[in-house]
Amino acid sequence: EAQVTQNPRYLITVTGKKLTVTCSQNMNHEYMSWYRQDPGLGLRQIYYSMNVEVTDKGDVPEGYKVSRKEKRNFPLILESPSPNQTSLYFCASSLSRADYGYTFGSGTRLTVV
Amino acid sequence: SQQGEEDPQALSIQEGENATMNCSYKTSINNLQWYRQNSGRGLVHLILIRSNEREKHSGRLRVTLDTSKKSSSLLITASRAADTVSYFCATAPLDTGRRALTFGSGTRLQVQP
Repeated sequence: EAQVTQNPRYLITVTGKKLTVTCSQNMNHEYMSWYRQDPGLGLRQIYYSMNVEVTDKGDVPEGYKVSRKEKRNFPLILESPSPNQTSLYFCASSLSRADYGYTFGSGTRLTVV
Repeated sequence: SQQGEEDPQALSIQEGENATMNCSYKTSINNLQWYRQNSGRGLVHLILIRSNEREKHSGRLRVTLDTSKKSSSLLITASRAADTVSYFCATAPLDTGRRALTFGSGTRLQVQP
């Protein structure tokens, strides 16, 4: 089944403790992206990747890092999480940046205390 | 700021009725996409309409696009209880640059049995 797999589904952590949210897709998509979703603010793009070793900032990149060492994986790294990063995070992939629909993962609900 | 803005923010109808929601945007687009989202779950791509198309159908969905008014509408015919989710429009700018899809804040649809 074609899908984007995110892990973990839920995560509660403390301020400053580094964490990684994994994302993997099995559709050989070149384009991958991370979004966060907050009430009243909709989905905002954090980082995206056009292909292996090609990443760029989205609208809200501060406090996040990403890497794209393999085509299928696009992990999101929070080096020093803060409470304002409490949010619902989604990974998405597509054949291209904007010409095709996105396939989304099921989401990671992160709480930073 | 959000490129696409849905209207209304919330909509309540009876099962079997048609539901119409609208999306307005500000800048020229390559295409416009509609997604649905169960609360807290990943978005699911519904339909994509390109800037040179005026209308598109998919099952019970009908999407229109008016580029002169910078607006789109999503019509769901013969609504069902299972249609009770949030709907988002997303725009792909004509001049992509660094940007990809930009999502609106969504319309919450409630279908009463």
